[in-house]
Amino acid sequence: RKEVEQDPGPFNVPEGATVAFNCTYSNSASQSFFWYRQDCRKEPKLLMSVYSSGNEDGRFTAQLNRASQYISLLIRDSKLSDSATYLCVVSPRWNQFYFGTGTSLTVIP
Amino acid sequence: GAVVSQHPSRVICKSGTSVKIECRSLDFQATTMFWYRQFPKQSLMLMATSNEGSKATYEQGVEKDKFLINHASLTLSTLTVTSAHPEDSSFYICSARDYRGGTEAFFGQGTRLTVV
Repeated sequence: RKEVEQDPGPFNVPEGATVAFNCTYSNSASQSFFWYRQDCRKEPKLLMSVYSSGNEDGRFTAQLNRASQYISLLIRDSKLSDSATYLCVVSPRWNQFYFGTGTSLTVIP
Repeated sequence: GAVVSQHPSRVICKSGTSVKIECRSLDFQATTMFWYRQFPKQSLMLMATSNEGSKATYEQGVEKDKFLINHASLTLSTLTVTSAHPEDSSFYICSARDYRGGTEAFFGQGTRLTVV
């Protein structure tokens, strides 16, 4: 069973739309969760960490549901520059760091 | 933020030769580094976890004799692809975590390997 499952998409949304991505994880003891963004042919860059109480950074909101073992990312008022692949990451332990398959987002003018 | 430098960024080699990729943490010490491979339009697949001063932990299905990992210091890990074949052509990325307890991982720029 995969450590992290993520809907690969693709998601094609118009500018200004709200879009949500979900990810489920298998290890209930996982402690750290992140969303990374990867642009084509580039390395992933941290978008935001995911905290138990949920957290928001501008147009981006991340949530964690430990009972159901999933994390989510909500993007409001989508911009063209948001087009990228979004990767959820689960870290069961310090020396374990697993990526989801990534969800491709294209924001259309 | 912390910086991880990966070298080379691009390499083309002949089938049967070996290629070494370096991953350095420039402004922090990393007891653990991760090596990933990414094929076109696919996600990052963890190959192995490199631990300073000890043997790497390989993921299932990754040949440890083919992908040699050395993590001799707190700032350097190397991945050597031995006897490379065209099917090894891929994007290889390393990442590292700051041993002082930062939870996120920082990524190198990646190495695009083409085996001809």
